[in-house]
Amino acid sequence: GQQLNQSPQSMFIQEGEDVSMNCTSSSIFNTWLWYKQDPGEGPVLLIALYKAGELTSNGRLTAQFGITRKDSFLNISASIPSDVGIYFCAGPRMDSSYKLIFGSGTRLLVRP
Amino acid sequence: EPEVTQTPSHQVTQMGQEVILRCVPISNHLYFYWYRQILGQKVEFLVSFYNNEISEKSEIFDDQFSVERPDGSNFTLKIRSTKLEDSAMYFCASSEFGAYGYTFGSGTRLTVV
Repeated sequence: GQQLNQSPQSMFIQEGEDVSMNCTSSSIFNTWLWYKQDPGEGPVLLIALYKAGELTSNGRLTAQFGITRKDSFLNISASIPSDVGIYFCAGPRMDSSYKLIFGSGTRLLVRP
Repeated sequence: EPEVTQTPSHQVTQMGQEVILRCVPISNHLYFYWYRQILGQKVEFLVSFYNNEISEKSEIFDDQFSVERPDGSNFTLKIRSTKLEDSAMYFCASSEFGAYGYTFGSGTRLTVV
């Protein structure tokens, strides 16, 4: 079935550094969603991508929908301590526009 | 900003007991979902609900689970006879259409003892 592979699994960076994480699949996705999850909270939508090649920014966050529709990346520029959390990519299954498949997440830790 | 509201935030229950988790989706959304996240693992789809009926469900969503929209605003998940392995965070979500506007609540942590 469709799976999303995220890398890296975790990152420990210095405040102010830029961060890049990505998500790949062996199958095509028509939508890519990037969520952040804080401890004990639900996933919060950061960026939604609906078109292959699309590059979208939300403040210090930038995400791109890969041309092949099999990958996406998320960049965070000038990281700050509140960026700490788990970042998930997600997308709807090809046989369903309703249910999301989630990647296994990238855990980000920021050293002040 | 509109949000999905879930109650309670934490529920502890004895094994074998019934629990009902409650959600108020975003008011103009048409699609409602329940997801589950076992500690340290990825978020997994349980069920989707549209037009007052289940539209899809996963293999996790067996006969012990049911969903209901008892009125115009609430959306509930019932687990009939809880098992230890039902312990997890349960997230409600709603969307305008398909993947558009897909918003999650802050979750209910269910602990079965």
